[in-house]
Amino acid sequence: NAGVMQNPRHLVRRRGQEARLRCSPMKGHSHVYWYRQLPEEGLKFMVYLQKENIIDESGMPKERFSAEFPKEGPSILRIQQVVRGDSAAYFCASSRSGGRQETQYFGPGTRLLVL
Amino acid sequence: DQQVKQNSPSLSVQEGRISILNCDYTNSMFDYFLWYKKYPAEGPTFLISISSIKDKNEDGRFTVFLNKSAKHLSLHIVPSQPGDSAVYFCAASGANAGNMLTFGGGTRLMVKP
Repeated sequence: NAGVMQNPRHLVRRRGQEARLRCSPMKGHSHVYWYRQLPEEGLKFMVYLQKENIIDESGMPKERFSAEFPKEGPSILRIQQVVRGDSAAYFCASSRSGGRQETQYFGPGTRLLVL
Repeated sequence: DQQVKQNSPSLSVQEGRISILNCDYTNSMFDYFLWYKKYPAEGPTFLISISSIKDKNEDGRFTVFLNKSAKHLSLHIVPSQPGDSAVYFCAASGANAGNMLTFGGGTRLMVKP
């Protein structure tokens, strides 16, 4: 499977716990984007990363959220001390290069439910 | 402020007929536009894109039209098939927004056999 992979597909957490979402980009892609979709809404940009660098985090909430894309391994979106409002679908996308008109290809998403 | 709007939350079309999905934007800096299709419990799938230097781009049954003066784009699907039933999102990017895609709220297309 050469597509964008995300795991887990579903994640249930209690309020106050931590959530870790993983994303492996398509083969040959070194640029990763995270988006969040709340129920009945469109996707909202969160963060754009290249290997070992955060390029644009203008969409990330100021607290509790962090993202990384290490030299080896998947990109991680981490949410500390989750609250019910964090319940959403989190999608990762990747692109081959950072060209602005480079198509972003999306993974299947992680559906986070906070109890 | 919603910079990309899809004003029709749903659309129902008969199989074999044309489906027209519309999208409006307010940011004049947007210069690249994409359409994605999304099935339930899956990620968005890229369909077609258009740069602002063009007013039309065609790929098989899918054609995207861009009217820059009206800040409006549309996706035409001809002929529509039941497998086209999904939620369609338009997205835009612009020189002042880096690589970030700004999405509309989506239109649910139902193609009836």
